[in-house]
Amino acid sequence: DGGITQSPKYLFRKEGQNVTLSCEQNLNHDAMYWYRQDPGQGLRLIYYSQIVNDFQKGDIAEGYSVSREKKESFPLTVTSAQKNPTAFYLCASKTGYTEAFFGQGTRLTVV
Amino acid sequence: SQELEQSPQSLIVQEGKNLTINCTSSKTLYGLYWYKQKYGEGLIFLMMLQKGGEEKSHEKITAKLDEKKQQSSLHITASQPSHAGIYLCGAERTGTASKLTFGTGTRLQVTL
Repeated sequence: DGGITQSPKYLFRKEGQNVTLSCEQNLNHDAMYWYRQDPGQGLRLIYYSQIVNDFQKGDIAEGYSVSREKKESFPLTVTSAQKNPTAFYLCASKTGYTEAFFGQGTRLTVV
Repeated sequence: SQELEQSPQSLIVQEGKNLTINCTSSKTLYGLYWYKQKYGEGLIFLMMLQKGGEEKSHEKITAKLDEKKQQSSLHITASQPSHAGIYLCGAERTGTASKLTFGTGTRLQVTL
């Protein structure tokens, strides 16, 4: 079955630690996205990538980093520079002007 | 601030009542998408609108895009408990096909 998979579902980070969230798609989509969602809020765009080896900052990129070495993978690293990382993170993919497909999300908590 | 504003932020309606959610942009949109989300889960695609004046319906949900392509509405007829969740509008602006941003979200509760 084609789809987009995020892992892990739950992640705990200690203060000052970097963590990486995984996002994999087998839909052969060109574009991939990372969003952050805080309680009661909409989605805010962190980074997006249109093609392999290229990505652009979204509206809240500070404290995050990404890579796009393969078409199907777009991992997000939450660095220690992100002072308030506790949130729900969603990954999506799409191609052209069609709807985006979303993963089930990763809930990150700082402990 | 986000470029897409949704109203209302939250809504509580009695089962069987109609409701409307609005999505407004300060810039002309190319593609406008409506999604539904249950708390703590991914997004479920509802509808996509591209042409000014376009209207689409699926079951009891109707979405419209205005002629200027800056405002969209989502209308639910005869609401049911299964309609409860967070409704989000997403959009791409002309010339930036891949930058997909979302609105502030509308939380809908349906009471019995």
